[in-house]
Amino acid sequence: DAMVIQNPRYQVTQFGKPVTLSCSQTLNHNVMYWYQQKSSQAPKLLFHYYDKDFNNEADTPDNFQSRRPNTSFCFLDIRSPGLGDAAMYLCATSRAAAGTEAFFGQGTRLTVV
Amino acid sequence: AQSVTQLDSQVPVFEEAPVELRCNYSSSVSVYLFWYVQYPNQGLQLLLKYLSGSTLVKGINGFEAEFNKSQTSFHLRKPSVHISDTAEYFCAVSASSYNTDKLIFGTGTRLQVFP
Repeated sequence: DAMVIQNPRYQVTQFGKPVTLSCSQTLNHNVMYWYQQKSSQAPKLLFHYYDKDFNNEADTPDNFQSRRPNTSFCFLDIRSPGLGDAAMYLCATSRAAAGTEAFFGQGTRLTVV
Repeated sequence: AQSVTQLDSQVPVFEEAPVELRCNYSSSVSVYLFWYVQYPNQGLQLLLKYLSGSTLVKGINGFEAEFNKSQTSFHLRKPSVHISDTAEYFCAVSASSYNTDKLIFGTGTRLQVFP
């Protein structure tokens, strides 16, 4: 029944070592989002894809990249994780329509050591 | 630009008591408003949404919210809470990007229900 699946649920990486988080969806939604959520804070949008069209938020650091090879999959790459990048990373999908809701995965909690 | 403000970072309440979680929004255009719930170490789940029409919106788990345009508010209410309602609640507004909408979240309200 899971519609937006994130793997892994927990990821530990070393300072400076590249890491990739993955997200897949069975909803066939056009839009996929990546949010960063630090402890006790609101989710912050990093970027989103409309089909293959990539849209970066103005304040998203260059350290964060994303790939969407097909409709179902989307990846978040952190090129050189710092201690400040430890957070919950949430993937979400939606249809491309005004006012449509977003469907979230369970998130990946990233720890940087 | 659209934004939301959640006035209470924490709301403690006893089981079976009523609760209201406050949300105010700022927008210069028509708004779409949402409430999401997040349980520990989980993603966000939609509780309810307001797009248009009736200002009283009913959602899952017995929650409802009222859209008040004059007060720019969208407060969430439940007449009788359960222990299982303990979670983080986020109000969100839909902001238009050039090719789709994106959600802008408030800072969240932690609802703690005590027995």
